[in-house]
Parts: sequence; structure tokens; C-alpha cells
Amino acid sequence: DADVTQTPRNRITKTGKRIMLECSQTKGHDRMYWYRQDPGLGLRLIYYSFDVKDINKGEISDGYSVSRQAQAKFSLSLESAIPNQTALYFCATSDWRSDYEQYFGPGTRLTVT
Amino acid sequence: GENVEQHPSTLSVQEGDSAVIKCTYSDSASNYFPWYKQELGKGPQLIIDIRSNVGEKKDQRIAVTLNKTAKHFSLHITETQPEDSAVYFCAASRTGGFKTIFGAGTRLFVKA
Repeated sequence: DADVTQTPRNRITKTGKRIMLECSQTKGHDRMYWYRQDPGLGLRLIYYSFDVKDINKGEISDGYSVSRQAQAKFSLSLESAIPNQTALYFCATSDWRSDYEQYFGPGTRLTVT
Repeated sequence: GENVEQHPSTLSVQEGDSAVIKCTYSDSASNYFPWYKQELGKGPQLIIDIRSNVGEKKDQRIAVTLNKTAKHFSLHITETQPEDSAVYFCAASRTGGFKTIFGAGTRLFVKA
């Protein structure tokens, strides 16, 4: 089984809809991240969490919110989706003992029409 | 803000040739430089990394070099194979993964 899983893998939604992307990990890592990938822009950090009680904004948090339900679960919500949020979204984890190295999930392709 | 520039955006080589991808970073406090490989339909996977106290690191056909003075680092892949075809991302980080800045990526094609 994959260490970092994301659901759904693909999602098409309409403008104005609320949508949640979920991430689960079995690596036992304390730190979790949400990134967005757009063509030609690489990966940009949306939110990160060092533990269940710690949530921090990243570079591009506007229009997004997150919830850390447990050490192993970190979900990303788009309260009111807009077309320019169409992108590939990745969840990642890292361990405080080796915090530099991040492990990525397979990604969720989100299309907002 | 801080950024990482990566070149080229696309690279096509013949099987067996070498491939070089170059990155430049702006944050002089960066001390960790990972390289990720992203295959189609998958998330990025770390393939090699280098820390600021080291100038070069090798792992079989892959090597990375770092010039801290010039703020440049490069990925070298020798004897390329078709399975090396993927998108490669460089990144620069301060202490802690939350400060990782990624380059825009290089799409590498290895022609058989």
C-alpha cells in the first residue's frame, strides 16, 4: 500500500461549489503539507502543519482552508471553487527528525468549470 | 520573494547521452538542495539531495553539484535511459521542509 494516499484522484466541479481533498499517510510523520502544481510554475505551498494543533499558511493560501483531523490525516478545502483553482494538488509529509525530505502523494487533478 | 530558477524547461537527449539541468536560487540562507523526479500520474519522488557543506554528491548515474558562492546547483544524469524520461524539479530549502522553494521543472525526454 502507498505510504501517502490522496482522494479523490480526479475531480471535476463547478464554480462556487465547496470541495474537499483528503490526504492520509501511514509513514508516522508529524508534518504534512499541501502543494499546488501548475504548468511552468512548479510546486507552490498552500498550507503546512507541524502537528495536529499547528496549522500555518503557505505562499498561496487565499481561497483555501485545511483541517488536520489526526496525525495521519490532513484535508484541503476550497470553500467556493473558482476556475483558476484548476490544478494538480499534492499532499506531502516529512518527519521532524529528517525534516528536509518530503514524501509526496500521487496527486489530485482538480478541474473547476 | 525567494525563488528558484530552473533551466532548461524541456530537454531531449539520445539514449546513452548525458543530461544536465541547472538551477539558481536567491535565498542565501538555503542549506538543503533536493532533486525530485515526477513520472506521469505520480507525485514527485526524491532522487538525490545535497547539503550546503558539500560540493558534489554522486549516486550511480546521477550526480549533483553545488556552488554556494554563485548560488548555482546542477543535476547530471549520465548514460541516460528511456526510463529517465520524466519531469525533474530542483528545490532549495532552509532548515525545515516548510521553507522549500521549487523550480518550475524540466521535462526530460530520452529517445531510444
